[in-house]
Parts: sequence; C-alpha cells; structure tokens
Amino acid sequence: RKEVEQDPGPFNVPEGATVAFNCTYSNSASQSFFWYRQDCRKEPKLLMSVYSSGNEDGRFTAQLNRASQYISLLIRDSKLSDSATYLCAVIRSGDMRFGAGTRLTVKP
Amino acid sequence: DAGITQSPRHKVTETGTPVTLRCHQTENHRYMYWYRQDPGHGLRLIHYSYGVKDTDKGEVSDGYSVSRSKTEDFLLTLESATSSQTSVYFCAISDQDRAYEQYFGPGTRLTVT
Repeated sequence: RKEVEQDPGPFNVPEGATVAFNCTYSNSASQSFFWYRQDCRKEPKLLMSVYSSGNEDGRFTAQLNRASQYISLLIRDSKLSDSATYLCAVIRSGDMRFGAGTRLTVKP
Repeated sequence: DAGITQSPRHKVTETGTPVTLRCHQTENHRYMYWYRQDPGHGLRLIHYSYGVKDTDKGEVSDGYSVSRSKTEDFLLTLESATSSQTSVYFCAISDQDRAYEQYFGPGTRLTVT
C-alpha cells in the first residue's frame, strides 16, 4: 500500500461546479500537509498548506481529518484555468511523500 | 516564481553512459532536493542537501549520486544510466527545515535508450 493515495480521476466537471478531492495517508505520525497543482508538462506549484483547523484561500478550501487520516481540497465555482493535476503531499519525520495526483478537467 | 533553473531541459542518452543534471538557484535557500516523477508513482525523493557538502539519501537513491559544492548548485549524477531511469527529474528548494514548503524547478526530461 502506498503511503499517500489519491484517486487518479479524471474528474470532468462543468465550469461553475464545485469539486472535491481526497487524499489518504497511511502513517498517523504524519505532521504537515500540502496541496500542489501541476499543469501538463510543468513543475508542481504549491497551492496551499493544510492546517489542522482547515483553511481557505479564495475558491479553495483545504481540510485535514486526522482521525480518518485524509486531507481534502474543495474547489468552488470551477474555472477553465483550474484544469490541472492536483498532488497532495505529506511530511513525516522530515520526509515529504507525494500522492500520484488527481487530474481535473473543467469544461465550458 | 522562485529562481530555480535546471539544465539540460531534455536529454536522450544511451544505456551505460554517465549523465549529470544540474539545478541552479538564486534564492540562497539552504535545502535542495532531487525528485523523479513517473506515471502512477508521483514524485519520489532521490537525494537531498541541507547545506554545502551535506547530502543524504531519499526514497529511491540507488544508481544516483549528488554533489553540492556551492549553495546555488546541486548536481545529480547517474553513474551508468539504465532504461529504468527514464523519467522527469525535478529539483526543488526550500528555505527552512524540510518540513516546510518546497518550490520546484522546471524539470528535466531524460530518456535512456
């Protein structure tokens, strides 16, 4: 079993839709959590950190559920420009482990 | 965007040849990392550096070596390239402990034939 798992998708949604992704992690000692965005054939870019209390950045909301060992990313009012692959990342004992990513396509 | 460049951006090489990839940063960040990205596996850490001449192994270090003689440069060497090392290689930097946010370079697409 991989340490960090994501549904690869693809998620195909219309513009304006709300979409949510989950990412599960297997090690309960994981300490820090992040969401990255990666456009096709580009480098990953940090989207947001995930705080214990949950956090929001514009249309994006990140949540952490330590009891069930997952993090989530909610995107409201999807834009065409949100089409990308979303990677979750988990840090445990200083090592960052990434999920394989969830692909999102937003259609007109 | 963080000042990170990688060279070359694309390379095709033959099995058994040595290959060196370069990562250069202008941010004066202490930590630098090399990852590889393959379909279905996500990003996997190869080696990292926590200072000049201070390096350590990551999750998939076999067949790779690194060197860091200056703060701004981190080199990844494949001593004898194999087809299983065909991948996209990303360098990343961070300015604090490894627990904090990392910023990635544009990547190097390596094909070993």
